[in-house]
Amino acid sequence: QSLLTQPPSVSGAPGQRVTISCTGSSSNIGARYDVHWYQQLPGTAPKLLIYGNINRPSGVPDRFSGSKSGTSASLAITGLQAEDEADYYCQSYDTSLSGYVFGTGTKVTVL
Amino acid sequence: QITLKESGPTLVKPTQTLTLTCTFSGFPLNTSAVSVGWIRQPPGKALEWLALIYWDDDKRYSPSLKSRLTITKDTSKNQVVLTMTNMDPVDTATYYCAHKKVGGYSFDYWGQGTLVTVSS
Repeated sequence: QSLLTQPPSVSGAPGQRVTISCTGSSSNIGARYDVHWYQQLPGTAPKLLIYGNINRPSGVPDRFSGSKSGTSASLAITGLQAEDEADYYCQSYDTSLSGYVFGTGTKVTVL
Repeated sequence: QITLKESGPTLVKPTQTLTLTCTFSGFPLNTSAVSVGWIRQPPGKALEWLALIYWDDDKRYSPSLKSRLTITKDTSKNQVVLTMTNMDPVDTATYYCAHKKVGGYSFDYWGQGTLVTVSS
């Protein structure tokens, strides 16, 4: 059972803005550990999308942005494009496990 | 340029031991703060962290799988090896190795993954 909860799916029309939530607890996100986000296109390995809550690796479009507050975090995609259709996972560190935890995953569908 | 690639059997029988090798390039695993981890993903399911090994041979394991996992490194070969004992059909998954970003807790480079099926 994952310690980070995400909505199973979100959808939006091209050009719209969608957000994905990631809810944790006082032993991970709330313990001030950073949240990271990954994009997984169908049949491929995950790709780091956001690290350290808000930072984008080189090459990631600025349409993707992250935020964190309390025991939750969010990923926003603005100007949704067909190529954004993928699974998205949040990830953090958990002190009770002394290990890394991933979210339940969210499938983004472009209508 | 950092690259990682997993290798190992595609099919194992229940109760057998799985041995996976991650061969990497573009970074030395004997440099301070560098580490490599293993993550798996059952078909249609979420990612699950398994283990991590640091440059100084410090090791971390998922508590739920700790008794079955061993992670080792061979810096001369640029390889990290994961063994998982007593395999079960529920362990069927794509297994990824990944480079952990130095100074943080994210995984910034991933291998392509290798699908391991557990079946008799």
